[in-house]
Amino acid sequence: EAGVVQSPRYKIIEKKQPVAFWCNPISGHNTLYWYLQNLGQGPELLIRYENEEAVDDSQLPKDRFSAERLKGVDSTLKIQPAELGDSAVYLCASSSRQGTGELFFGEGSRLTVL
Amino acid sequence: AQSVTQLGSHVSVSEGALVLLRCNYSSSVPPYLFWYVQYPNQGLQLLLKYTTGATLVKGINGFEAEFKKSETSFHLTKPSAHMSDAAEYFCAVLEGAQKLVFGQGTRLTINP
Repeated sequence: EAGVVQSPRYKIIEKKQPVAFWCNPISGHNTLYWYLQNLGQGPELLIRYENEEAVDDSQLPKDRFSAERLKGVDSTLKIQPAELGDSAVYLCASSSRQGTGELFFGEGSRLTVL
Repeated sequence: AQSVTQLGSHVSVSEGALVLLRCNYSSSVPPYLFWYVQYPNQGLQLLLKYTTGATLVKGINGFEAEFKKSETSFHLTKPSAHMSDAAEYFCAVLEGAQKLVFGQGTRLTINP
């Protein structure tokens, strides 16, 4: 069974440029998460999807961040424009069972903003 | 809101020695608690979890953790460290039905 796939693994951009990250969850997993992991810190939830619906986006900075999950499968997280403080690892995770806390994570997309 | 505090951002032990990683939580309801591990350049993976029932839970790779309600703790242990255990370890608590709240992580280094 294929795991959660994210791309790109690494991205270097200049500030004010746009960037997008893509995530393909494990087949059949209805719940998809985007987490932000700053250096030396634990992951923090940005947004959670149940199928196509964003059910928790309270921590997503909506002035510059956007996300979508068309057809309830793949998801894209976009930042426009990027700022220096956005340098971090963006983790995607998926889950098949509500209330278990058992998440399957991708390897992450490391963003460096110069 | 639930929260997690991991005591010690870095822990270093010798190969064969006891591993102890500390985690304390804050929760207004009976907690579901987790330990996740992140090996270099890999995603996080579930090590073990506590939901209800037996307070001592066993996970993969010889790790175990004990839920102590009176101490609001969920410390992770392994009797004998192996070089392959070097990684970042995250304690987490489940908030609501699906949101994991993570601690800041503890980096475990194993000395030969």
